[in-house]
Amino acid sequence: DGGITQSPKYLFRKEGQNVTLSCEQNLNHDAMYWYRQDPGQGLRLIYYSQIVNDFQKGDIAEGYSVSREKKESFPLTVTSAQKNPTAFYLCASSIGGFQETQYFGPGTRLLVL
Amino acid sequence: EDQVTQSPEALRLQEGESSSLNCSYTVSGLRGLFWYRQDPGKGPEFLFTLYSAGEEKEKERLKATLTKKESFLHITAPKPEDSATYLCAVQVDSGGYQKVTFGTGTKLQVIP
Repeated sequence: DGGITQSPKYLFRKEGQNVTLSCEQNLNHDAMYWYRQDPGQGLRLIYYSQIVNDFQKGDIAEGYSVSREKKESFPLTVTSAQKNPTAFYLCASSIGGFQETQYFGPGTRLLVL
Repeated sequence: EDQVTQSPEALRLQEGESSSLNCSYTVSGLRGLFWYRQDPGKGPEFLFTLYSAGEEKEKERLKATLTKKESFLHITAPKPEDSATYLCAVQVDSGGYQKVTFGTGTKLQVIP
């Protein structure tokens, strides 16, 4: 089955710790995205990548970092600089850029201890 | 600034009671409008893409329509399994800069 997988489903972060969220897709999509979802707010774009080895900041990139070494993978690191990391994180992919339909993974919920 | 507003925030329907959800937008350079369904604790599931005013798309009990200022998601004779949050998103191309802006969603509850 083709799709997008995210792991882990739940992640706990301690003060000052960096944590990495995994996103893998086997849809052969070129573009991948990371969004953050908070209660009462629309999805906000953190980072996106349209091709391997290239990525751009979204609206709320501060405190986050990404890499895109493989077409299938787009991991997101939440650094200690992100002071309010508690949220639901969603990874998505699309065939091309923003004009194409984005398909989402199941999400990772990050909680701070 | 691009804005996407969904209304109502929450909607409670009896099973079989048809209604509509609204997504109004103030953007420049609209290229497409997307509807998603999101169940609690899960990622959004794609429903429809609309590209131009007057366009309509249907899937089972759902029908999406688009005008120059808004989109409607019509739900005909809903069932309890239609309960979810429905998100809309608009894709804009402003001077070569592309982005997608999401609304905050309408939480639909269908009561048996």
